[in-house]
Amino acid sequence: QKEVEQNSGPLSVPEGAIASLNCTYSDRGSQSFFWYRQYSGKSPELIMFIYSNGDKEDGRFTAQLNKASQYVSLLIRDSQPSDSATYLCAVTLNQAGTALIFGKGTTLSVSS
Amino acid sequence: DTAVSQTPKYLVTQMGNDKSIKCEQNLGHDTMYWYKQDSKKFLKIMFSYNNKELIINETVPNRFSPKSPDKAHLNLHINSLELGDSAVYFCASSPSQSSEAFFGQGTRLTVV
Repeated sequence: QKEVEQNSGPLSVPEGAIASLNCTYSDRGSQSFFWYRQYSGKSPELIMFIYSNGDKEDGRFTAQLNKASQYVSLLIRDSQPSDSATYLCAVTLNQAGTALIFGKGTTLSVSS
Repeated sequence: DTAVSQTPKYLVTQMGNDKSIKCEQNLGHDTMYWYKQDSKKFLKIMFSYNNKELIINETVPNRFSPKSPDKAHLNLHINSLELGDSAVYFCASSPSQSSEAFFGQGTRLTVV
């Protein structure tokens, strides 16, 4: 069965630092990778997706994918207290469909 | 506003009751989903519908029955509610052939 593994944290970083969130997945055939942010009591919000090996940057966020190592990460530069949330890594459940399998999330705390 | 909307936001009910949660999206997406987030915040796919057709049923008890009257709506009916059904249920939608899902605000179901 497909699995997505994340360190639950909490990951604590000072304001302005780089936060690094990591995720590994079990299915070598996985093609699509997503990062969602979930504030406490709110719904998951898509912040990044990546399909190809390498880096993808969007503002302060960079997603990194290494398919050979089955590893995907999210870097948040210049972390802000407003970035404090749970970050969920997700991969497509199977190649035929679009449903996602999620990791259990990493809680990030940014202190001012 | 364009969105995925669920009703009700909160639902408290007794064991053995039957309840429904409604979901509507006005994003023009072809695919809709139900996810369950348990008390440990683990988010898991329950059902996936594409153009009103069931695509995925991830080992969900028969007491849960999704219904899609049209591609903009996906409702969830739960029979004979059990204590273990207490969770937050999220509806989501995505464009056809895409896993970039947008989530509703969630329905917190409490079974007492």
